[in-house]
Amino acid sequence: QVQLVESGGGVVQPGGSLRLSCAASGFTFSSYGMHWVRQAPGKGLEWVAFIRYDGSNKYYADSVKGRFTISRDNSKNTLYLQMNSLRAEDTAVYYCAKEKSIRFLGEFDYWGQGTLVTVSS
Amino acid sequence: QSALTQPASVSGSPGQSITISCTGTSSDVGGYNYVSWYQQHPGKAPKLMIYEVSNRPSGVSNRFSGSKSGNTASLTISGLQAEDEADYYCSSYTSSSTRGVFGGGTKLTVL
Repeated sequence: QVQLVESGGGVVQPGGSLRLSCAASGFTFSSYGMHWVRQAPGKGLEWVAFIRYDGSNKYYADSVKGRFTISRDNSKNTLYLQMNSLRAEDTAVYYCAKEKSIRFLGEFDYWGQGTLVTVSS
Repeated sequence: QSALTQPASVSGSPGQSITISCTGTSSDVGGYNYVSWYQQHPGKAPKLMIYEVSNRPSGVSNRFSGSKSGNTASLTISGLQAEDEADYYCSSYTSSSTRGVFGGGTKLTVL
């Protein structure tokens, strides 16, 4: 069965950095695009970033462009999100999610359990 | 402000049917048949309930159905059950530079 397990969340000061990881299993990781989606406390879902199955294309939400970098290691079945210049408004649960298709359609068929990132001094 | 508009809340009694709307534009909902719906219980990850406007993933109850008319997509839940009480989000492919877009979410209360 498909499993996505995020890790790397925690408390970080404003302006700091953090790297999230998402370990994937139960499917051919190298054949699917992957997303990061976040949810601020008590708020709705916000799409953050996408990476194509082969890493050749990456897309970002305007709110994180220039600060966050999505990447993947298909040999390790792992997705990453490098977050720099963190702000209070980045505080959220971060989910990794599998794209249902080979390309970006915005249809997320499996989700991890999420990892909490808190930006606070 | 979310790119897709959903009602903040809907409610219904057990056994009844409810419909949640998701309104976008011709650049997203109206222009593509890639609308999906997600169910989220408190403290849990979202779960895909409908994809490509009206398709159900394996294991999702046939009480859940989706449709689209113009720039508005809809999720209908028939035969409401207590376990359907959750937040529901729509999502759509978009041709805008925003790429990924969700609705603001709808809280379903089963009375």
